[in-house]
Amino acid sequence: GNSVTQMEGPVTLSEEAFLTINCTYTATGYPSLFWYVQYPGEGLQLLLKATKADDKGSNKGFEATYRKETTSFHLEKGSVQVSDSAVYFCARRVNAGNMLTFGGGTRLMVKP
Amino acid sequence: DTAVSQTPKYLVTQMGNDKSIKCEQNLGHDTMYWYKQDSKKFLKIMFSYNNKELIINETVPNRFSPKSPDKAHLNLHINSLELGDSAVYFCASSQGTGNYGYTFGSGTRLTVV
Repeated sequence: GNSVTQMEGPVTLSEEAFLTINCTYTATGYPSLFWYVQYPGEGLQLLLKATKADDKGSNKGFEATYRKETTSFHLEKGSVQVSDSAVYFCARRVNAGNMLTFGGGTRLMVKP
Repeated sequence: DTAVSQTPKYLVTQMGNDKSIKCEQNLGHDTMYWYKQDSKKFLKIMFSYNNKELIINETVPNRFSPKSPDKAHLNLHINSLELGDSAVYFCASSQGTGNYGYTFGSGTRLTVV
């Protein structure tokens, strides 16, 4: 099947802490992988993506590496800020019609 | 300037009513989508259109009917609204059906009472 599994939240961190949000996917072939971020009251925004094995996507201090051997795409940031508080969604592309399958989302709360 | 705009932003209506949500994108994208986000933030694809043609129609009650008058617009009409239809509905677009990320609208929060 085509599924994406994320760690359940909420994840609560202090400012400047290290962030990891785990994401794994079921593999049929080598799908493109994405991280989206949803700030309160807004739509989802593309944060980063990777299209093939060992690719590293990065943006705004966030990184994720496409790990074929573990079918994972974990999101990391070295030092979080209060403004990073949001819900983060991992997604994989399904070939048919560019459909994206999303994980259940992980809420991140960063305290000053 | 808004890339993908949805109207209305909030919609409160009674059970049994019929309502529509409109979506427009000014990005020149060929493909548009409707996603439903439930109260637990879970996102599920409903429909996808490419150049006005329906290409994805997931298991959705036939009370939901999408309409795409042109490739810049994808509207969602819902008949006989039920309590379980309460959710946030997101419109999105992409350059095509290839390997492209989405641009999302800001969502329509539908509350059925």
